[in-house]
Amino acid sequence: EPEVTQTPSHQVTQMGQEVILRCVPISNHLYFYWYRQILGQKVEFLVSFYNNEISEKSEIFDDQFSVERPDGSNFTLKIRSTKLEDSAMYFCASSRTGIETQYFGPGTRLLVL
Amino acid sequence: AQRVTQPEKLLSVFKGAPVELKCNYSYSGSPELFWYVQYSRQRLQLLLRHISRESIKGFTADLNKGETSFHLKKPFAQEEDSAMYYCALSEADSSYKLIFGSGTRLLVRP
Repeated sequence: EPEVTQTPSHQVTQMGQEVILRCVPISNHLYFYWYRQILGQKVEFLVSFYNNEISEKSEIFDDQFSVERPDGSNFTLKIRSTKLEDSAMYFCASSRTGIETQYFGPGTRLLVL
Repeated sequence: AQRVTQPEKLLSVFKGAPVELKCNYSYSGSPELFWYVQYSRQRLQLLLRHISRESIKGFTADLNKGETSFHLKKPFAQEEDSAMYYCALSEADSSYKLIFGSGTRLLVRP
């Protein structure tokens, strides 16, 4: 059964550094999402992406964040200048259509020091 | 604002006991509600959604619009049901993003 994959599984970075989190959605899916979960808190929506553009973003998704689908298979989340509070588990999800089930990747645990 | 509330952080039951994980929501439109489960060291995966009205692994959930609830139930808990359970609401009038509750950890003891 196809799965959403994410790399790396863990990333440690220094405050102020740029990080790129990578996701490979399920191949025939058209809707893509990033969520994050700070330790001990709920899973929060960051951004949704459809038809090569952002369809919605949350208040968390400020100018330091960007997403890209550079080559038709990868879906990346970039944080330009990381802050301590960006430390969290970041989940990618995809769905075939908007109304269908979102399938989640295993997550990338980001630690900003 | 749309919200999903799971009042219990931890629910501990003995094997064979009934389980009810509570979920309440606030949403002005027609909600699409889900239960996602995360077993230890595994990814979030869909357990069930209200429109499919099916039972998965013995779990059922009924949408009660009057009480704005979508409680998850299972008549006889098994040890392998131990996991983190998240109730989520989808906004069909936006980007179908999921709004999650804070989750309930179910621990089924032998």
